[in-house]
Amino acid sequence: AQKITQTQPGMFVQEKEAVTLDCTYDTSDQSYGLFWYKQPSSGEMIFLIYQGSYDEQNATEGRYSLNFQKARKSANLVISASQLGDSAMYFCALWGYQAGTALIFGKGTTLSVSS
Amino acid sequence: DTGVSQDPRHKITKRGQNVTFRCDPISEHNRLYWYRQTLGQGPEFLTYFQNEAQLEKSRLLSDRFSAERPKGSFSTLEIQRTEQGDSAMYLCASSLQQGLGWTNYGYTFGSGTRLTVV
Repeated sequence: AQKITQTQPGMFVQEKEAVTLDCTYDTSDQSYGLFWYKQPSSGEMIFLIYQGSYDEQNATEGRYSLNFQKARKSANLVISASQLGDSAMYFCALWGYQAGTALIFGKGTTLSVSS
Repeated sequence: DTGVSQDPRHKITKRGQNVTFRCDPISEHNRLYWYRQTLGQGPEFLTYFQNEAQLEKSRLLSDRFSAERPKGSFSTLEIQRTEQGDSAMYLCASSLQQGLGWTNYGYTFGSGTRLTVV
């Protein structure tokens, strides 16, 4: 079965600091993708970053980077230089052939950025 | 294109009533997904369409739930005889899938319809 685990219900960080949001996954697929989404209080899910299982380099998108450790089955999101607007829920998600076409989401981590 | 649109944004209904939600995906996307999200949880997959064909349904989709995508464009999700346990955010997403792979852009989600059953 496919599974995503996010063990941090809440994280607190000050502006301009970096923060790491943890994500571990379980899949028997050899080919899979890992995604991070941001969900602000408005409710929409905003795509942040993607890592393919065969990508040799960690993905980066602006202030977001994904620390992909395949052997440990972890895909942590690193946000550099946090901003107040980063306060939101963050979800890690997994796609693999075993799950069909559905993204499987973790329970999320609430990030609070203070000034 | 303005992204994925969902209507209504909020719906309050009495237990036992039927409700219908609409989703308009990004026009060039061929796949459309419905997810349900309860408070404090991640989204859970309900069903998806490729063009007008409903190709997969989750066990979460009870007989009271039905989804359609009649012309391969917009989709509706109907819940009959609503129960308090149906209270949740219903999210629609779309994607462009080519072949057996997946797009590395993930899905584009709408803002959701928040259903409250009283």
